Amino acid sequence: GAGVSQSPSNKVTEKGKDVELRCDPISGHTALYWYRQSLGQGLEFLIYFQGNSAPDKSGLPSDRFSAERTGGSVSTLTIQRTQQEDSAVYLCASSLDGGQASYEQYFGPGTRLTVT
Amino acid sequence: GNSVTQMEGPVTLSEEAFLTINCTYTATGYPSLFWYVQYPGEGLQLLLKATKADDKGSNKGFEATYRKETTSFHLEKGSVQVSDSAVYFCALSDSGNTGKLIFGQGTTLQVKP
Repeated sequence: GAGVSQSPSNKVTEKGKDVELRCDPISGHTALYWYRQSLGQGLEFLIYFQGNSAPDKSGLPSDRFSAERTGGSVSTLTIQRTQQEDSAVYLCASSLDGGQASYEQYFGPGTRLTVT
Repeated sequence: GNSVTQMEGPVTLSEEAFLTINCTYTATGYPSLFWYVQYPGEGLQLLLKATKADDKGSNKGFEATYRKETTSFHLEKGSVQVSDSAVYFCALSDSGNTGKLIFGQGTTLQVKP
């Protein structure tokens, strides 16, 4: 079956512009996660959705970052007024149920964001 | 807070050598432990997991045992292959109701023929 997909695969933007990153999770997966992978910080958790609500936003680095999920499916991560330190690979993952810590998370291929 | 520490790389081995990648964790409660692997040009994928103390996860010849007394989850393989060259991440998911993963820094493994 289809895995987690993300778009775009690459995004180059100028400092100060807004960007939107999209994630399509595996059908039927209620939990969705965003992570960021950067050279300096490794893999960091950003936000967790269960259905359409986000009970854990503790990893969002600033109020320039926001995310939403609609229909219990597609999620969009928005970064406003991008800065060079936002350059990273943004990964999306989904799992059957976030309430079960043992459930496997399936990762998408990521969006590589470069802020110039 | 919860954290994961894994040995720094890169690790370079010859084919058929024995592999150990150390991983230790700090956590409250009873986390589940995972090893994820990222092959060149590919996305992160689960290699193995263990959900309670003394559990052993295994897959593709890799093994790791959940050791609560030493808070460790070391990855081992008896005989590595060139195709095992990848970045390996140790991770824990907290025992709260989110399942979010806390990752180690990653260890790059290069296996030479």
